[in-house]
Amino acid sequence: QQQVKQSPQSLIVQKGGIPIINCAYENTAFDYFPWYQQFPGKGPALLIAIRPDVSEKKEGRFTISFNKSAKQFSLHIMDSQPGDSATYFCAAREGYNQGGKLIFGQGTELSVKP
Amino acid sequence: NAGVTQTPKFQVLKTGQSMTLQCAQDMNHEYMSWYRQDPGMGLRLIHYSVGAGITDQGEVPNGYNVSRSTTEDFPLRLLSAAPSQTSVYFCATKEALPTRGYNSPLHFGNGTRLTVT
Repeated sequence: QQQVKQSPQSLIVQKGGIPIINCAYENTAFDYFPWYQQFPGKGPALLIAIRPDVSEKKEGRFTISFNKSAKQFSLHIMDSQPGDSATYFCAAREGYNQGGKLIFGQGTELSVKP
Repeated sequence: NAGVTQTPKFQVLKTGQSMTLQCAQDMNHEYMSWYRQDPGMGLRLIHYSVGAGITDQGEVPNGYNVSRSTTEDFPLRLLSAAPSQTSVYFCATKEALPTRGYNSPLHFGNGTRLTVT
């Protein structure tokens, strides 16, 4: 059973559009929610992350929105560019005293058309 | 500073063969882990280690063994490969000390693409 559910599986937007990727979780013990970006042939790399006591975090064109009561969080990419084309993974971390393991969502393949 | 190095990059095995995927890091990270990436399934944790001599199971440990004799190395062993183990395997590390590593990011290698026929 997938503990972190991510949607959509794939997404195509035009340059300048605002793709939105959504994630949902059930385990209230998760204490940290990062997003990773992966380019073809490479390993994922940390993009942006949020703690559950914060409702929004922005870093450049990337924004995480977090809804603790709904147990959902999402990634928004403002003014998307072709260079943003990649696979995006949301993740959730089990509490540190539970091992601090990162559980990933299924991934979203984003394509930004010129 | 190479970061996380995985070898080999590609491997083809026949069902029943054994092999070891290598992972080495030069960042002195206490935490090391193995994930597999499959289409539609995302990244799933196989095994992890919080320090030399300490290992534990992740979400999908069956069919895989690990050991951690040094801080730098964390090999993943397939004792009898099966077609269901065809996947891309990633090694990932991070600092684990709570005072410095509470929210430290995972650093991934570039993966090993394994095909089992």
